[in-house]
Amino acid sequence: DAGITQSPRHKVTETGTPVTLRCHQTENHRYMYWYRQDPGHGLRLIHYSYGVKDTDKGEVSDGYSVSRSKTEDFLLTLESATSSQTSVYFCAISESGRGQVETQYFGPGTRLLVL
Amino acid sequence: SQQGEEDPQALSIQEGENATMNCSYKTSINNLQWYRQNSGRGLVHLILIRSNEREKHSGRLRVTLDTSKKSSSLLITASRAADTASYFCATASFPGSEKLVFGKGMKLTVNP
Repeated sequence: DAGITQSPRHKVTETGTPVTLRCHQTENHRYMYWYRQDPGHGLRLIHYSYGVKDTDKGEVSDGYSVSRSKTEDFLLTLESATSSQTSVYFCAISESGRGQVETQYFGPGTRLLVL
Repeated sequence: SQQGEEDPQALSIQEGENATMNCSYKTSINNLQWYRQNSGRGLVHLILIRSNEREKHSGRLRVTLDTSKKSSSLLITASRAADTASYFCATASFPGSEKLVFGKGMKLTVNP
């Protein structure tokens, strides 16, 4: 999986609790992304980062925050988990060039269940 | 907002047959990419085709792009049971974008 790890791989939590998912890369790629995958919706972008401390919102960012203090780590936080955030979360990295996104490499995913 | 739309949503074929999947999109693009996802795994990049390219090959994969029709097709020749997976198209918008927009995906089943 192109030097990308996600932790935890599985998590069960209760509504209202904060949850942090971690993505770690060893490829030194500039761009990192968080997606969620739900049946019938494909992959939807939550947030992405284009450098250390540089982040931007995606399509479904409400209820999520991110941080990137080092090139290799990108954290996704669910501030107060809700059942609608039950999903599979994927991290991806990319070394975009010429102002356009190129190939993305995906991590193995984190399955999150919010009860 | 979904950009790419794969068609058909599901396809079942026999080993050795060819599989064709189509993707239509709405806005101008810089490139279009195809990804595969095996059950329970992350997505794997298959091929990238740029807006100024019409056809690209990679092993048993052939991708075409018709920007006038805003569509692309992925052909897998001589399919194998191991090709069973979900396939996604993803687009990078023109004039430039740091993001990909993925379609909802389509399920290919190759029966041995």
